[in-house]
Amino acid sequence: NAGVMQNPRHLVRRRGQEARLRCSPMKGHSHVYWYRQLPEEGLKFMVYLQKENIIDESGMPKERFSAEFPKEGPSILRIQQVVRGDSAAYFCASSPETTNQPQHFGDGTRLSIL
Amino acid sequence: GQQLNQSPQSMFIQEGEDVSMNCTSSSIFNTWLWYKQEPGEGPVLLIALYKAGELTSNGRLTAQFGITRKDSFLNISASIPSDVGIYFCAGGTTSGTYKYIFGTGTRLKVLA
Repeated sequence: NAGVMQNPRHLVRRRGQEARLRCSPMKGHSHVYWYRQLPEEGLKFMVYLQKENIIDESGMPKERFSAEFPKEGPSILRIQQVVRGDSAAYFCASSPETTNQPQHFGDGTRLSIL
Repeated sequence: GQQLNQSPQSMFIQEGEDVSMNCTSSSIFNTWLWYKQEPGEGPVLLIALYKAGELTSNGRLTAQFGITRKDSFLNISASIPSDVGIYFCAGGTTSGTYKYIFGTGTRLKVLA
């Protein structure tokens, strides 16, 4: 499967724990985007990364949230000290370059906070 | 910030009917994309539009990039039950870094 791979598909955490969401882009894609989706709502942009660089993090909460895309391995969205309001579906998308190429999405990670 | 207004928010239609939905904004976009999302899955790209006035088809789906570059339209002809899902538009912008702004979605339910 050459598509965008996200894992885990479902993640349950208790308040105060850390959540790590992983995304492997499509083969040949070097740009990764993270989005958050609440039930019955659209996709909200969080962060845009290239290998080893954060290009745009204007949609990321200032605290507890961080993202990386290392030279080797998947992109990671990290949420520290999770709260109930972090419960959502988190989607990753990738594209081959920065211009107007469409983004292709993974199937998301559904995060539930107990 | 930039916003996309997508309408209708939801619709029930009879199988075999044609469906129209649109996306409007007060801002200009350089690219328009249309996605479909089914329950428990990620959005799947349906159609990409790159030029004002462009009309592109993908099977029973036809989308248009509005002349003003502030809107886009998606039509589905002869709907079938598997058309059920949420349809999202996304406008591509070079404001700052290039990124896409997503609409709030049109929820389509087809009655057999």
